[in-house]
Amino acid sequence: DAKTTQPPSMDCAEGRAANLPCNHSTISGNEYVYWYRQIHSQGPQYIIHGLKNNETNEMASLIITEDRKSSTLILPHATLRDTAVYYCIASNSGGYQKVTFGIGTKLQVIP
Amino acid sequence: NAGVTQTPKFQVLKTGQSMTLQCAQDMNHNSMYWYRQDPGMGLRLIYYSASEGTTDKGEVPNGYNVSRLNKREFSLRLESAAPSQTSVYFCASSDHRGQGEKLFFGSGTQLSVL
Repeated sequence: DAKTTQPPSMDCAEGRAANLPCNHSTISGNEYVYWYRQIHSQGPQYIIHGLKNNETNEMASLIITEDRKSSTLILPHATLRDTAVYYCIASNSGGYQKVTFGIGTKLQVIP
Repeated sequence: NAGVTQTPKFQVLKTGQSMTLQCAQDMNHNSMYWYRQDPGMGLRLIYYSASEGTTDKGEVPNGYNVSRLNKREFSLRLESAAPSQTSVYFCASSDHRGQGEKLFFGSGTQLSVL
């Protein structure tokens, strides 16, 4: 599965949009981009995923560039409860045994 | 649905003791995983089971054994605990359904080996 690169940390003001970038320049055509987050020491939680098209659900929006080499997770109105580590991964739906969870992006939402 | 349930939530062991971490999922998923997470590091895969009756090593399998007891349950055993195994352990499950494959995690087991 493709490697992903994320900034180690970001700040966002409460109520503003949080835009978290991810680079996956070696992604293959059948690999999805997934985003998970981990609040404090809880188990990571699925947020959203996509293949080519932009996606939106009740938690966030995912914008994937046309060449699929990068993506952005958007939390439209960040709250203090969105403070967490966000992981971006790429996987081809053959299981997660080859997926590497890096250190992710630590998002700090500031009051 | 409870999702993925792990027990115990906390455990303290002495060096050399053994223990089994239990994991069960009620989502009828085929694949199950055990990860460990150390401070400042991402999740590292210990073992996984792609389907009932099969298990395979992940990135950091040394010092651990697993059993896929049935489709629901996947246990992790430490035969002789070492301080280096102090970590937070997460169990997860996934299944390919339609477009994509989501991973569901348990709440974790915080293990300290003294």
